[in-house]
Amino acid sequence: DTEVTQTPKHLVMGMTNKKSLKCEQHMGHRAMYWYKQKAKKPPELMFVYSYEKLSINESVPSRFSPECPNSSLLNLHLHALQPEDSALYLCASSQPPQGGGYTFGSGTRLTVV
Amino acid sequence: GQQVMQIPQYQHVQEGEDFTTYCNSSTTLSNIQWYKQRPGGHPVFLIQLVKSGEVKKQKRLTFQFGEAKKNSSLHITATQTTDVGTYFCAGGGFKTIFGAGTRLFVKA
Repeated sequence: DTEVTQTPKHLVMGMTNKKSLKCEQHMGHRAMYWYKQKAKKPPELMFVYSYEKLSINESVPSRFSPECPNSSLLNLHLHALQPEDSALYLCASSQPPQGGGYTFGSGTRLTVV
Repeated sequence: GQQVMQIPQYQHVQEGEDFTTYCNSSTTLSNIQWYKQRPGGHPVFLIQLVKSGEVKKQKRLTFQFGEAKKNSSLHITATQTTDVGTYFCAGGGFKTIFGAGTRLFVKA
């Protein structure tokens, strides 16, 4: 299995809602990542997990809360988001420290209303 | 902090013409990766370069890593409409930073 699966594909949420984005990989990769991508912009790193431990947090607001329950799963919990948080959220995985590039999921397109 | 600059921002070509995108870093990179993102899609890994002066080819695509490991290029020979998309370079070690990307438009 050479895929990274993200759910849901689309999400519309209000500013008072709580929701979670999910990511799963079965490639045996031990590093997993959350990226945020705005239209016509490059992916912007949010969080890095290595061996299920949070190793990088790129000063992301606390309304985004990552979780890595095991080596195959990565979640991003969302709470009290703002409309400017609307974006494509991409999950990726790789072999640390960087074996052969990242495999990205197809993303969750998030709209905050 | 580390920055990865990429030019041009976009390029329009006629099908069959060549295309090149360039990537420059303010610091020495441990490696550089290239990705392609089709419109409405997600980034797809193309290749990773690690060695100084490295050159790799994938069919019509040629990737180069500079001697100082601070710059890289992607060259596409004889573009096709299937080459349409945004090409990103990404540099660094454990924390991969993406360049701004070059959007390629191919006119048939």
